[in-house]
Amino acid sequence: DVKVTQSSRYLVKRTGEKVFLECVQDMDHENMFWYRQDPGLGLRLIYFSYDVKMKEKGDIPEGYSVSREKKERFSLILESASTNQTSMYLCASRPTGQGVYEQYFGPGTRLTVT
Amino acid sequence: SQQGEEDPQALSIQEGENATMNCSYKTSINNLQWYRQNSGRGLVHLILIRSNEREKHSGRLRVTLDTSKKSSSLLITASRAADTASYFCATADSWGKLQFGAGTQVVVTP
Repeated sequence: DVKVTQSSRYLVKRTGEKVFLECVQDMDHENMFWYRQDPGLGLRLIYFSYDVKMKEKGDIPEGYSVSREKKERFSLILESASTNQTSMYLCASRPTGQGVYEQYFGPGTRLTVT
Repeated sequence: SQQGEEDPQALSIQEGENATMNCSYKTSINNLQWYRQNSGRGLVHLILIRSNEREKHSGRLRVTLDTSKKSSSLLITASRAADTASYFCATADSWGKLQFGAGTQVVVTP
């Protein structure tokens, strides 16, 4: 079974702190994604990566950056956390291949910025 | 921006009843997927229907797709308490990028 793990289930940070959210997948997937989920808005794509050291902006990249130094690990960085970044953050991965579209999700990190 | 919009936003039914939820989208798609999310957890893929398909079944799930109306429906038959969750539709472009709707919250009471 594919396993996607996220470093923390719950995280509380202060405004202005630098925050790292880590995601690791164990199935050698090329593609990895970071979403945030807010009530009434569904999931919105922040960044994605289709290979090591490659990254692409999603729909809402402002205030975030990412790092992918190894294939299995995709990190989301909040350079200076703000209260409007309080949200549930979900990581997902997907292999590259013809007709392969299903994404595998981690359990999520609920981040609160005070 | 959201591509899919689910309807209804919330649904409450009794065990044994069928649950139907709908999804509308705006642009052309490669495929449409449905995911389930149990409270406070990650999403789990349920079923995928390609743009050239009209109906698909998986166990108690039935998905339809009408590309002329840009809409899809998910039917859960003979619902169980364990089906209590939020259900999301997601449209995929040819690159596999997903756009999610806001979800339908389903509560199944014993």
